[in-house]
Amino acid sequence: GEDVEQSLFLSVREGDSSVINCTYTDSSSTYLYWYKQEPGAGLQLLTYIFSNMDMKQDQRLTVLLNKKDKHLSLRIADTQTGDSAIYFCAPESDYKLSFGAGTTVTVRA
Amino acid sequence: GAGVSQSPSNKVTEKGKDVELRCDPISGHTALYWYRQSLGQGLEFLIYFQGNSAPDKSGLPSDRFSAERTGGSVSTLTIQRTQQEDSAVYLCASSSDVNQPQHFGDGTRLSIL
Repeated sequence: GEDVEQSLFLSVREGDSSVINCTYTDSSSTYLYWYKQEPGAGLQLLTYIFSNMDMKQDQRLTVLLNKKDKHLSLRIADTQTGDSAIYFCAPESDYKLSFGAGTTVTVRA
Repeated sequence: GAGVSQSPSNKVTEKGKDVELRCDPISGHTALYWYRQSLGQGLEFLIYFQGNSAPDKSGLPSDRFSAERTGGSVSTLTIQRTQQEDSAVYLCASSSDVNQPQHFGDGTRLSIL
């Protein structure tokens, strides 16, 4: 199966930008997703990028994809306290999502 | 409904009992997925339905696990003779078709005593 690696923790000051990085192994992934999980809740779809794109911007979110290096990143501009959560990178291959361990983002005042 | 609905939200049961977990997908979504989130294994794929058929059951951990979907809508995941290692959050997702974004419910937290 696909291996997905993410750093486990990120601490950022309110108002700064957050960058969450992800590497994956399966080059056949067609879509690559970012999900957000708050305590006790399910996974909220944040954004996604098609594999033939290298960048997608959606309001405060920017996704960068380096397909050659199999590297995906999510940038959150002007990070707010409500952005504190666990963020999962999830490449899709053959309709299955593979997940990293998740990056816990803590926003400090 | 507006989103994927799962019930119960929490289930505590004794080892050896059978449990049924229910998922009601977003109206009109033809594809439905079950995943499991546990401390040791992270998030893992269990099974996928396209309509009422399950082309891929490869993620089911053992033959104690089964799932069905009727009427192209509601799905039930059944775990027989539960074991402590079955304790996890069971997440259901649906999408309008395969290879479309998957939308998740809030999950069922299953605890086996």
